[in-house]
Amino acid sequence: QKEVEQDPGPLSVPEGAIVSLNCTYSNSAFQYFMWYRQYSRKGPELLMYTYSSGNKEDGRFTAQVDKSSKYISLFIRDSQPSDSATYLCAMTPDADKLIFGTGTRLQVFP
Amino acid sequence: NAGVTQTPKFQVLKTGQSMTLQCAQDMNHEYMSWYRQDPGMGLRLIHYSVGAGITDQGEVPNGYNVSRSTTEDFPLRLLSAAPSQTSVYFCATRSNSPLHFGNGTRLTVT
Repeated sequence: QKEVEQDPGPLSVPEGAIVSLNCTYSNSAFQYFMWYRQYSRKGPELLMYTYSSGNKEDGRFTAQVDKSSKYISLFIRDSQPSDSATYLCAMTPDADKLIFGTGTRLQVFP
Repeated sequence: NAGVTQTPKFQVLKTGQSMTLQCAQDMNHEYMSWYRQDPGMGLRLIHYSVGAGITDQGEVPNGYNVSRSTTEDFPLRLLSAAPSQTSVYFCATRSNSPLHFGNGTRLTVT
């Protein structure tokens, strides 16, 4: 079993929809949780960064961490075609060795 | 300010050939790392460095060498390329924030 599990999708939604992306993990030592967005043929870029449990909001994006369930989520409100990309969750116990999910491919159609 | 620069962008090697993937950063980050990205496997850590003169192994170090003689550069060496090393390679750096990625080198080994 992988340490971090992420549904690969693809996930296809209409413009304006609320998107929910999720990851589960098995290592209870993970303390730092991140979401990266990766456009085709580009490097991942950081979207959200949270420490321990709780919610964090940044514009149309909300990240949630539930350490008791070992479950993290990224919500995208009012999705746009420009949000079409692969979304990677990542986590680590000590900020050095990130463990990534395999990524969920999202397509937002007009 | 170029951030993280990776060269070359593309490379084709024959089995047994050697090459060096270059990574340079102008952000004065102490931490630098190399990941490979494969379909269905996500991003996996190869080697990392927490400062000049210090390197350590990640999850998949076999077949790769690194050295860190300056803060700015962190080259990744393949001494004898194998088809299993066909992948997209990303260099990533950080200071006190999460990883900042380059745009990758696409390597094909035939």
